[in-house]
Amino acid sequence: AQSVAQPEDQVNVAEGNPLTVKCTYSVSGNPYLFWYVQYPNRGLQFLLKYITGDNLVKGSYGFEAEFNKSQTSFHLKKPSALVSDSALYFCAVRPWFSGGYNKLIFGAGTRLAVHP
Amino acid sequence: EPEVTQTPSHQVTQMGQEVILRCVPISNHLYFYWYRQILGQKVEFLVSFYNNEISEKSEIFDDQFSVERPDGSNFTLKIRSTKLEDSAMYFCASSELATDTQYFGPGTRLTVL
Repeated sequence: AQSVAQPEDQVNVAEGNPLTVKCTYSVSGNPYLFWYVQYPNRGLQFLLKYITGDNLVKGSYGFEAEFNKSQTSFHLKKPSALVSDSALYFCAVRPWFSGGYNKLIFGAGTRLAVHP
Repeated sequence: EPEVTQTPSHQVTQMGQEVILRCVPISNHLYFYWYRQILGQKVEFLVSFYNNEISEKSEIFDDQFSVERPDGSNFTLKIRSTKLEDSAMYFCASSELATDTQYFGPGTRLTVL
């Protein structure tokens, strides 16, 4: 079955420290990979995506993500966390050759808490 | 920056009633989607829509659900006879092409009593 796993319900990090939010996926073919962020009472905001090419992709607000095909992972990173980064982060995958090429499959989300 | 908008932000209804959730996708986008998120659970795909047709739907999207693009700007999700388990946040999304990034609206929180 196609799935996305975000193994951590919550990640706590001190402001100024690097952060990593983990994501692994299980889909066949060459999926498109996405990160979205959700602030309280807001919708899902697109952060970044990987389709092909360089395994390190850069996105909004200084975030980046590293695609690792052998580990089927797409971890979200930021070199220096801000308190304002505190939010709920969702990893999503769009299967390509598995059929259903329109839909996104989401992970359960990881709550990032950045402490001053 | 163009945004997907949704109305209402919160809808409370009685079980068995019909509800219509409304969305205005980004104006040059051609693909439209509905997702839902039951409290504490994952965001789940419901349906995708292109060229006035459903292009894909999930097993959740049964005969109680329907979608429509009644005019050039709105995209609606109708639930004919709501059940308690339909209580969720419903997100609309749109993309310019099938392979493009999907941009989400702020959601409509549906509460079925």
